[in-house]
Amino acid sequence: QKEVEQDPGPLSVPEGAIVSLNCTYSNSAFQYFMWYRQYSRKGPELLMYTYSSGNKEDGRFTAQVDKSSKYISLFIRDSQPSDSATYLCAMRPYSGAGSYQLTFGKGTKLSVIP
Amino acid sequence: GAVVSQHPSRVICKSGTSVKIECRSLDFQATTMFWYRQFPKKSLMLMATSNEGSKATYEQGVEKDKFLINHASLTLSTLTVTSAHPEDSSFYICSARGTGLAGSDTQYFGPGTRLTVL
Repeated sequence: QKEVEQDPGPLSVPEGAIVSLNCTYSNSAFQYFMWYRQYSRKGPELLMYTYSSGNKEDGRFTAQVDKSSKYISLFIRDSQPSDSATYLCAMRPYSGAGSYQLTFGKGTKLSVIP
Repeated sequence: GAVVSQHPSRVICKSGTSVKIECRSLDFQATTMFWYRQFPKKSLMLMATSNEGSKATYEQGVEKDKFLINHASLTLSTLTVTSAHPEDSSFYICSARGTGLAGSDTQYFGPGTRLTVL
């Protein structure tokens, strides 16, 4: 079993839809959880950053972490064509040597159709 | 805040030449920088981790003599691809984390450098 599992998609939705992106993980030491957005031929851009379990909202984006289920989600409300990109989940443990190394999911490619 | 730049954004070189890629943290001090490689439609592959003033730690399977990493200051790390060959053609991305108001929580990525070796 891979440490982080993420459905690669592609996921295609109509403009205005609510998008749900998910990752599951196996390492219970992971404490910090991130979502990055990567446009084609660009570096990843940090979207959301959460620590431990709970929800975090930023504009149209909501990140959820359920540590008991080892499951994280990113919701995008009122999706726009400009949201079309690959979304990467990433996570890391709290402390220890190399703790700032991130473990990434493979990314989900999202297309929002006008 | 937490802006990371990379230069050049694109480079084309002949086989056998060396190419240097710069990664800079613009508004924070980067105590740790990471170098990744990404193939088309694939996820990021960590190549090495470097701490300012220390030797880089390379991931298994990454040739340290081929991919030279220098992190001489808190705002600059360089990756030199030595004696480049066509199989080194890829998208190289750096990231940084550090201290200060920005950059301390996680990794912030540069825009990437596309290397094409002819």
